[in-house]
Amino acid sequence: DAGVTQSPTHLIKTRGQQVTLRCSPKSGHDTVSWYQQALGQGPQFIFQYYEEEERQRGNFPDRFSGHQFPNYSSELNVNALLLGDSALYLCASSDWGLWASGGSNTGELFFGEGSRLTVL
Amino acid sequence: AQRVTQPEKLLSVFKGAPVELKCNYSYSGSPELFWYVQYSRQRLQLLLRHISRESIKGFTADLNKGETSFHLKKPFAQEEDSAMYYCALSLSGAGSYQLTFGKGTKLSVIP
Repeated sequence: DAGVTQSPTHLIKTRGQQVTLRCSPKSGHDTVSWYQQALGQGPQFIFQYYEEEERQRGNFPDRFSGHQFPNYSSELNVNALLLGDSALYLCASSDWGLWASGGSNTGELFFGEGSRLTVL
Repeated sequence: AQRVTQPEKLLSVFKGAPVELKCNYSYSGSPELFWYVQYSRQRLQLLLRHISRESIKGFTADLNKGETSFHLKKPFAQEEDSAMYYCALSLSGAGSYQLTFGKGTKLSVIP
């Protein structure tokens, strides 16, 4: 099991452009969360997807949107990029859906290695 | 809103010395607390969570609701403990994976 995989690993964009980041969850996981980690900061929660719907959202503007596919993989889209969007974007998967459906879960997030976005 | 504070950006200790990484939180409910660790060139991974009350790699952490703290401790530091450590909080009672992280503490163990 490769665990959580993300692509691309690095990318450079200019202000105003749009970017799409991709994530494949760990085998057996049904829930994907996205975090933004600015330099010198801890990860900050963006949103969480389960059953192809956004279930929880952090304090991020609507420029940040996402999608989850039937195979549980996910995309993060950021429109109208700003310099301040430069960060490491982390994807994390879990079996949160198991809890949501009344089962138990491991309570653990598994993180990918991240996609480093630089906005010039 | 909930907040996690890790007062030390960098903590240096000698091998064999005790380690304590501080974490304080602010949240009016009953949170679930975690410690995540990131070793060099590796991804962020869970070290321990307060509800499991486990000792992982010799590390322990006790939730002190009175002091709203969740300090990470190890009696004897090893060189392989050098890493970035993040304290994180999850909102209570929901199996929620919306984690609020602190800014992290870099632990450096000097041989």
